[in-house]
Amino acid sequence: DAGVTQSPTHLIKTRGQQVTLRCSPKSGHDTVSWYQQALGQGPQFIFQYYEEEERQRGNFPDRFSGHQFPNYSSELNVNALLLGDSALYLCASSFNGRRSTDTQYFGPGTRLTVL
Amino acid sequence: RKEVEQDPGPFNVPEGATVAFNCTYSNSASQSFFWYRQDCRKEPKLLMSVYSSGNEDGRFTAQLNRASQYISLLIRDSKLSDSATYLCVVNNNAGNMLTFGGGTRLMVKP
Repeated sequence: DAGVTQSPTHLIKTRGQQVTLRCSPKSGHDTVSWYQQALGQGPQFIFQYYEEEERQRGNFPDRFSGHQFPNYSSELNVNALLLGDSALYLCASSFNGRRSTDTQYFGPGTRLTVL
Repeated sequence: RKEVEQDPGPFNVPEGATVAFNCTYSNSASQSFFWYRQDCRKEPKLLMSVYSSGNEDGRFTAQLNRASQYISLLIRDSKLSDSATYLCVVNNNAGNMLTFGGGTRLMVKP
C-alpha cells in the first residue's frame, strides 16, 4: 500500500520564478492538505482540497494556488517566488477530512530553495 | 501570541530518563489534539492522539486539560531512538486544518 508521495524531492529556483509541486495521496484517501515548514518552525497550513475544490485556506497570499485532479492527486503552485518561500512543502492526505479526528498522513516533502 | 506554543528545547537527557513536554493552545474551540514526531529532514509522523481521559501507548503517555488548554507528553525509559522533534498539534473546529506548535527537540544521550 503506497503512502503519500511527493515530487520533486528537491528544487532550486530563483526569485520571481514559478514552481509546481506534486502530491499523490495515500491509497483510499480523497482529501489533500498542503503545509509549508520553514527551517526551525512547525508546519503551517496553506490550503486543503476535497472533491477538486479548495475547501479551506490558511493565511497565505494568492501567489499560492492549487489544484486537485479527479484521481485525488494535487498540485501546489507558487508564483513570483520570494526568498522567504524557501521551505519544506509537505502534503498530507486523509479520507473525507471533514471530521477533526481524521488522521492526516504526510508525504516526505519537497524542499524548495529560492536564490 | 501563537495558537500553539511549545518550549523549543533542546531537552538533553540520558538513556533511561523520563522526560515531559508541555504545550498550550489558545483556541478554546479546538476539537482534537495530537503529538507528531519529526526526525531531522523527514516528514512529521503521528505519534499519538490525545484525549481528555489521558492515553498511554507503551512508554508514551499523553494528557489533555481542556480547562487549562494544556497538553502534555511523557516519555518513560528514554531510548536513543526517541531523539527527534516532537510537535504538538491541534485541529480546530472549522475543519481538518492542523495547527502545529514550533516543536520541542529531544536529544537522548548514551
